[in-house]
Amino acid sequence: SQKIEQNSEALNIQEGKTATLTCNYTNYSPAYLQWYRQDPGRGPVFLLLIRENEKEKRKERLKVTFDTTLKQSLFHITASQPADSATYLCALVSTDSWGKFQFGAGTQVVVTP
Amino acid sequence: GAVVSQHPSWVICKSGTSVKIECRSLDFQATTMFWYRQFPKQSLMLMATSNEGSKATYEQGVEKDKFLINHASLTLSTLTVTSAHPEDSSFYICSASPGTGMSYEQYFGPGTRLTVT
Repeated sequence: SQKIEQNSEALNIQEGKTATLTCNYTNYSPAYLQWYRQDPGRGPVFLLLIRENEKEKRKERLKVTFDTTLKQSLFHITASQPADSATYLCALVSTDSWGKFQFGAGTQVVVTP
Repeated sequence: GAVVSQHPSWVICKSGTSVKIECRSLDFQATTMFWYRQFPKQSLMLMATSNEGSKATYEQGVEKDKFLINHASLTLSTLTVTSAHPEDSSFYICSASPGTGMSYEQYFGPGTRLTVT
């Protein structure tokens, strides 16, 4: 069966350090993968998209890598700040279901001063 | 740009009543809208995909007679939870896409918290 797995344990990190989150998937032929931020009681906010033929994408302090051999995406927040505290979701669109996002359960990040 | 609103942001209703949730794209035309539900600490589960002017496509396990979706215009989709029961209590989120089915972009609404008593 198809699965998208993110670490369910909260990631506690000190301000200024780099937070690294993992998204693993099984039984998907990914077209592209997206990362979202979700604050409590709010809808997800788009952060980054990476296509299956791309290795890495950056946006300001954020970096995403995509390894289709390992079936994994890594999401990095460099120089983390308390305002980065949120839940981060990965979402995958596969080639056989265009437009349909399948979400992971998300990983909570807590950045302490 | 690319703002999606939902109304209401929260609603409490009695068991057996129906509740309508609106999803609007405020500054773009949404060819496709999606409805999700999310339980605490769980992922967003896609319920249905709706294209303007046509019937919604429901995911497996989602009762289309219970969750009525109407996408009457390019800026408005509604989800009606009919004969709501406590197990329907959840966080409902819509998203809207400005393109056709191959669009990469989806913009999410702020969500609606439904509590059925």
